[in-house]
Amino acid sequence: EDKVVQSPLSLVVHEGDTVTLNCSYEVTNFRSLLWYKQEKKAPTFLFMLTSSGIEKKSGRLSSILDKKELFSILNITATQTGDSAVYLCAYSGNTGKLIFGQGTTLQVKP
Amino acid sequence: GAVVSQHPSRVICKSGTSVKIECRSLDFQATTMFWYRQFPKKSLMLMATSNEGSKATYEQGVEKDKFLINHASLTLSTLTVTSAHPEDSSFYICSARDGAGPEKTQYFGPGTRLTVL
Repeated sequence: EDKVVQSPLSLVVHEGDTVTLNCSYEVTNFRSLLWYKQEKKAPTFLFMLTSSGIEKKSGRLSSILDKKELFSILNITATQTGDSAVYLCAYSGNTGKLIFGQGTTLQVKP
Repeated sequence: GAVVSQHPSRVICKSGTSVKIECRSLDFQATTMFWYRQFPKKSLMLMATSNEGSKATYEQGVEKDKFLINHASLTLSTLTVTSAHPEDSSFYICSARDGAGPEKTQYFGPGTRLTVL
């Protein structure tokens, strides 16, 4: 059975800290791994990763995929209170369906 | 990024009634849309895949007669919760894929919070 596991499940940091969120997967027919940020409503797209070792960056956020070890990390540097959210990792296979991990709840304190 | 809308954003209904939720892709055509359900403090659970012009594909354990899906056009999919019960109360989210092919990004609607009394 396809599985996506995120860790930690929750994290509390202070503004300015750097955080690393983890996502490991055991899936068949891997196509891509996606990261989303969810605040009060629906998830907003952050990154799609398809190739190993290529870092994607957007401002203070970056992500990389290791297809050999079957995991991805999402880094957030110089965290701000506005980064507080649930971060979701999802895998997409041949059908295009997204299978989500449990999510990591990040709280950034002032 | 692409924009997906949902309507209504919140609905409260009595037990036994049916509720229709619309999902629209506003600036792109979506041959495939997906419907998810999310319980409080839980992750998204895929309910069904909606393909324009054909029957939806439901995930295991999701009752197709209870959750009716219609994808009548390239920009609109609807989910109807029939004979709703309190246990159907949840956050329902749709997503639309921008283009054909599983490698294309999915964009999510803002969600619909359903409360069944």
